[in-house]
Amino acid sequence: QKEVEQDPGPLSVPEGAIVSLNCTYSNSAFQYFMWYRQYSRKGPELLMYTYSSGNKEDGRFTAQVDKSSKYISLFIRDSQPSDSATYLCAMSVNPSWGKLQFGAGTQVVVTP
Amino acid sequence: DAGVTQSPTHLIKTRGQHVTLRCSPISGHKSVSWYQQVLGQGPQFIFQYYEKEERGRGNFPDRFSARQFPNYSSELNVNALLLGDSALYLCASSLSGGETQYFGPGTRLLVL
Repeated sequence: QKEVEQDPGPLSVPEGAIVSLNCTYSNSAFQYFMWYRQYSRKGPELLMYTYSSGNKEDGRFTAQVDKSSKYISLFIRDSQPSDSATYLCAMSVNPSWGKLQFGAGTQVVVTP
Repeated sequence: DAGVTQSPTHLIKTRGQHVTLRCSPISGHKSVSWYQQVLGQGPQFIFQYYEKEERGRGNFPDRFSARQFPNYSSELNVNALLLGDSALYLCASSLSGGETQYFGPGTRLLVL
């Protein structure tokens, strides 16, 4: 069993819809949770960073962490074709360590 | 401001050869991490270096090695290349550890 599970998709939504992404994890020691966006043939770009359980909002993006269920989510409101990319969840035990554990990534396609 | 830079962008090698990949972190960042991303999967942690010292190592064979220089740039070396080493190699930099890591565009390695 992988430490971090993420549905690879693809997830296709019409422009303007809400995109809902999620990851589950098995290691209860994870404390820090991140979402990255990766365009084709590019490096991952950090979107959201959260610590422990709760919600965090940044513009059209909302990240949720439920440590009791070992479940994290990312919501993208008013989706645009430019949001079409692969979204990777990542998590770490200790922010002083560089080891991020990534999910496999979910491919999102926003159609005009 | 320059982000993380990596060189070369693309590389083709044959089995058994050696390869050196290079990374320059964001100015002021002292930590560099290396990841391998195979097509369709999330990045896998290889190494982290901080202040020229190895801070962490992932589950990769000894054919993989790295080092960090006094100017905080880093090299990843892979010996005796295998077909399975074909991947996107990503470098990430952070101020002192892992909580906010910024990725470079990657080096795409193809082993024939």
